[in-house]
Amino acid sequence: KQEVTQIPAALSVPEGENLVLNCSFTDSAIYNLQWFRQDPGKGLTSLLLIQSSQREQTSGRLNASLDKSSGRSTLYIAASQPGDSATYLCAVPYGGSQGNLIFGKGTKLSVKP
Amino acid sequence: DTAVSQTPKYLVTQMGNDKSIKCEQNLGHDTMYWYKQDSKKFLKIMFSYNNKELIINETVPNRFSPKSPDKAHLNLHINSLELGDSAVYFCASSQEGGQSPLHFGNGTRLTVT
Repeated sequence: KQEVTQIPAALSVPEGENLVLNCSFTDSAIYNLQWFRQDPGKGLTSLLLIQSSQREQTSGRLNASLDKSSGRSTLYIAASQPGDSATYLCAVPYGGSQGNLIFGKGTKLSVKP
Repeated sequence: DTAVSQTPKYLVTQMGNDKSIKCEQNLGHDTMYWYKQDSKKFLKIMFSYNNKELIINETVPNRFSPKSPDKAHLNLHINSLELGDSAVYFCASSQEGGQSPLHFGNGTRLTVT
């Protein structure tokens, strides 16, 4: 059974710092891995999707890496800004459907000005 | 031009009532989903549906039923509401087979009193 774990549960950093969020999964047979952002009272916004054959994906100040063999992914945020404050979730699909996602419990990030 | 829209945003009702949440997507996706986020912010899939197949998470009570009048809509009907049904319900959509990310609605906060 696939389980997704995110560490840390919460993180507070001063503006401008580079930071890393961690995600681990127990079953390495995954199609892909997605990182989402959730703002309070809002839905989830997809940030990056890494295919199982890829090692990393980049979008602006965000870089996500994937190591299937060790069951790990990291989300690197460069030069953090207060607007980055949100909960970040990683998720992997299961059951043959790429939309049936198992989510981690998220990392709540607070970037202080 | 919201991609995935849900109504209502808030729903307060009494135990025992029957209620529906509507979801529409204008992305042309072929698969839609319902997710539940509990009080601890943990997201779990409830249903996935395309024009061929309904996949139900086995932990979902049969008081919950998805109804799809057409490809762009997947409504959630809940009968005999219970206190434990209080949560935020998210609709999402994706295009199967295309390795595209999931697109989420902004959620419906259901409170059962």
